[in-house]
Amino acid sequence: GAGVSQSPRYKVAKRGQDVALRCDPISGHVSLFWYQQALGQGPEFLTYFQNEAQLDKSGLPSDRFFAERPEGSVSTLKIQRTQQEDSAVYLCASSLRRGLSYEQYFGPGTRLTVT
Amino acid sequence: GQQVMQIPQYQHVQEGEDFTTYCNSSTTLSNIQWYKQRPGGHPVFLIQLVKSGEVKKQKRLTFQFGEAKKNSSLHITATQTTDVGTYFCAGNAGNNRKLIWGLGTSLGVNP
Repeated sequence: GAGVSQSPRYKVAKRGQDVALRCDPISGHVSLFWYQQALGQGPEFLTYFQNEAQLDKSGLPSDRFFAERPEGSVSTLKIQRTQQEDSAVYLCASSLRRGLSYEQYFGPGTRLTVT
Repeated sequence: GQQVMQIPQYQHVQEGEDFTTYCNSSTTLSNIQWYKQRPGGHPVFLIQLVKSGEVKKQKRLTFQFGEAKKNSSLHITATQTTDVGTYFCAGNAGNNRKLIWGLGTSLGVNP
């Protein structure tokens, strides 16, 4: 079946602009995660949802970052007043709750460049 | 806080040589997962280990979970150029669904 999709794949924003990144998880996956990955680094957790509930947003770096998943499927990560340090790849992953099975399936990511 | 360390950070091998990456956690993990990320790609789930002392094999890849559930290893036998990429371990502590990620081991294979 279809995997996790993300759009746009690439986004260039001028410093101060707002951006919205979209994630379509695998159908039926209950959990959804957002990560930030800088060049040469591992994924850094931002936030996760179980259905429409945002259960953990401890990784969001500032109040300029906001995520939502209003109907428990598609999610949007919004970054307001972008800064150069926001430049990174933003990865979305989804997971099917199945006991201790926590494997996550990642989308291709959105590469954000703030100029 | 909870941390997962991975060593080595980088390794280059000649095609056909073996490769091992090690993952150590400061806390007991309920499970350990391994992911592979090709250059320019996204992490792809490889395997999950749950039981103490568990060993799983996928063709040339062997995964181990330590007895204390605080360390893990990934061993690749007779590397191929298709093995190039960064290998990440990640684990859950208790019932926390937030994965704790290692920094990854970047593998280069010379043909």
